[in-house]
Amino acid sequence: EIVMTQSPATLSVSPGERATLSCRASQSVSRNLAWYQQKPGQAPRLLIYGASTRATGIPARFSGSGSGTEFTLSISSLQSEDFAVYYCQHQGTFGPGTKVDIK
Amino acid sequence: QVQLVQSGAEVKKPGSSVKVSCKTSGGTFTRYAFAWVRQAPGQGLEWMGGIIPIFGTRNYAQKFQDRVTITADESTNTAYMELSRLRSEDTAVYFCARVRDYSSSSPYFDSWGQGTLVTVSS
Repeated sequence: EIVMTQSPATLSVSPGERATLSCRASQSVSRNLAWYQQKPGQAPRLLIYGASTRATGIPARFSGSGSGTEFTLSISSLQSEDFAVYYCQHQGTFGPGTKVDIK
Repeated sequence: QVQLVQSGAEVKKPGSSVKVSCKTSGGTFTRYAFAWVRQAPGQGLEWMGGIIPIFGTRNYAQKFQDRVTITADESTNTAYMELSRLRSEDTAVYFCARVRDYSSSSPYFDSWGQGTLVTVSS
């Protein structure tokens, strides 16, 4: 079974700054990885699939990269609405999440 | 624009069962697969299983294999998740989600229901 890990657990960032979130797979998943954003009390929202393809309606400040076992989600200039928890996912496995909060 | 609308919150006794529905609109039900994902209070996301309605095929996470049943009714474009032998640890928000690329190595969840809170308490 593939295990997904994410780091850091919490990332404190000031509005307008860049945020870089990491996701690691215990074995290669090629580019078969998606990212989701979840705000309190809401369902997750798909951001990225196929490691780097933005979902419909997702702003260009969100970008995904990586392949194999190492993946990155970058948010180029954090807006107030971006403070949330971010999860990576491969098939039926989610990472534990990274909380992005205001510094 | 696809919409997934789930049934309302439930309070259940330990040992009982719960059945949550997920009615879809705005898309072709049989073109997709549907999954159920749960989230315990303050915790992360946990995939429970999924169904491909057009084929009737289902797969379940090993953890829930003996307690969960996922079904779909094509006549009403509705997916269902039934969890039996409930215990307090099953208290969670249960989400349905539409699965894209389900036949590939890279399925992902592109639309989600609003979630259904299931509380298990004596």
